[in-house]
Amino acid sequence: GENVEQHPSTLSVQEGDSAVIKCTYSDSASNYFPWYKQELGKGPQLIIDIRSNVGEKKDQRIAVTLNKTAKHFSLHITETQPEDSAVYFCAASKRSQGNLIFGKGTKLSVKP
Amino acid sequence: DAGITQSPRHKVTETGTPVTLRCHQTENHRYMYWYRQDPGHGLRLIHYSYGVKDTDKGEVSDGYSVSRSKTEDFLLTLESATSSQTSVYFCASPQTAMNTEAFFGQGTRLTVV
Repeated sequence: GENVEQHPSTLSVQEGDSAVIKCTYSDSASNYFPWYKQELGKGPQLIIDIRSNVGEKKDQRIAVTLNKTAKHFSLHITETQPEDSAVYFCAASKRSQGNLIFGKGTKLSVKP
Repeated sequence: DAGITQSPRHKVTETGTPVTLRCHQTENHRYMYWYRQDPGHGLRLIHYSYGVKDTDKGEVSDGYSVSRSKTEDFLLTLESATSSQTSVYFCASPQTAMNTEAFFGQGTRLTVV
């Protein structure tokens, strides 16, 4: 089955700096790659997603890139703010079996 | 949040007792999922449903059963709770079809003592 590896497990940056979180997946049939943000005591919330027919997608300060050949995708957050502090999860799924398989998460801390 | 409500939000139970968690959605979604979240493991799929009475196992299904008798409700039952099932449980449902954005409930924190 699909396996998703996520790195780093913790990331600390200064406010205004960029943050990058990387994930790799094992199943070449996976075609949907969402990123979720989870704040303390809440359920995960989608922040951006990308499909396998696209190499990059951007939404204001957040971008995701996908390299299908290498089977990895990354989340980029620019101009980080303290409210970006949270746990971020990557996930992968495929059309024939839409269940999301998650990475283990990255705890991002943005220091003012 | 796609109208997903989990109940209870917190529960403490004793080892060996059965426990049922409820997920209720108001958007008439076809697909519903149960995940558990544990430190160092992220979110792991327990069971999922692709329609009324249609369910299947996820990667950590041992010790759990599910039922879906109505579109809006997806029940997760721990048949005989063990301490290893102490966790935070999340219900999720994609808005349109599988392989699309999933909305999560607020979670149920279960402690088995």
